[in-house]
Amino acid sequence: GENVEQHPSTLSVQEGDSAVIKCTYSDSASNYFPWYKQELGKRPQLIIDIRSNVGEKKDQRIAVTLNKTAKHFSLHITETQPEDSAVYFCAASKSHQAGTALIFGKGTTLSVSS
Amino acid sequence: NAGVTQTPKFQVLKTGQSMTLQCAQDMNHEYMSWYRQDPGMGLRLIHYSVGAGITDQGEVPNGYNVSRSTTEDFPLRLLSAAPSQTSVYFCASSYSFVETQYFGPGTRLLVL
Repeated sequence: GENVEQHPSTLSVQEGDSAVIKCTYSDSASNYFPWYKQELGKRPQLIIDIRSNVGEKKDQRIAVTLNKTAKHFSLHITETQPEDSAVYFCAASKSHQAGTALIFGKGTTLSVSS
Repeated sequence: NAGVTQTPKFQVLKTGQSMTLQCAQDMNHEYMSWYRQDPGMGLRLIHYSVGAGITDQGEVPNGYNVSRSTTEDFPLRLLSAAPSQTSVYFCASSYSFVETQYFGPGTRLLVL
């Protein structure tokens, strides 16, 4: 089945530095790749997504890149702030019997120290 | 507009007991899904639905049943609880799986 591998599992950076989280997927038919942020004790929330017809997408300090040939996509956070500290999940779409579902990576715990 | 709601927030069960986790959304979303979250394991898909009357299994369906009789509700049933089902359960809904998924607040389940 579809596997989504996410690295690193933990990431510590200084405030103002950049953070990069990488994911790989196995299903060549995957065409939707969202990223979710989960703060401690809260529910996951979408922060950015990218579709297979686009190579890069930016939203202020956050950007996502996609390499369909290599089957990997990455989240880039620039000028990190303490409020960026959270668990980040990547996901990839997968076709199932009844429709398309999302398969999530295991998450990256980002800690931003001031 | 309440979004996605889940009840209960927290539940303790004994091994072998059954229970139903409730999930409801008021956004008229066709797609709904159940995930479990365990430390270091990410969000794993249990079951999902693409509309009333249509459900399918996800990655970890064993021990769980679902049904979708209305667009608004998508309950998750634990048939005979086991300690391995101790987890945080999230329900989510969306217009489709290639659109934003809105998660509920979660249900923390402890099976003794």
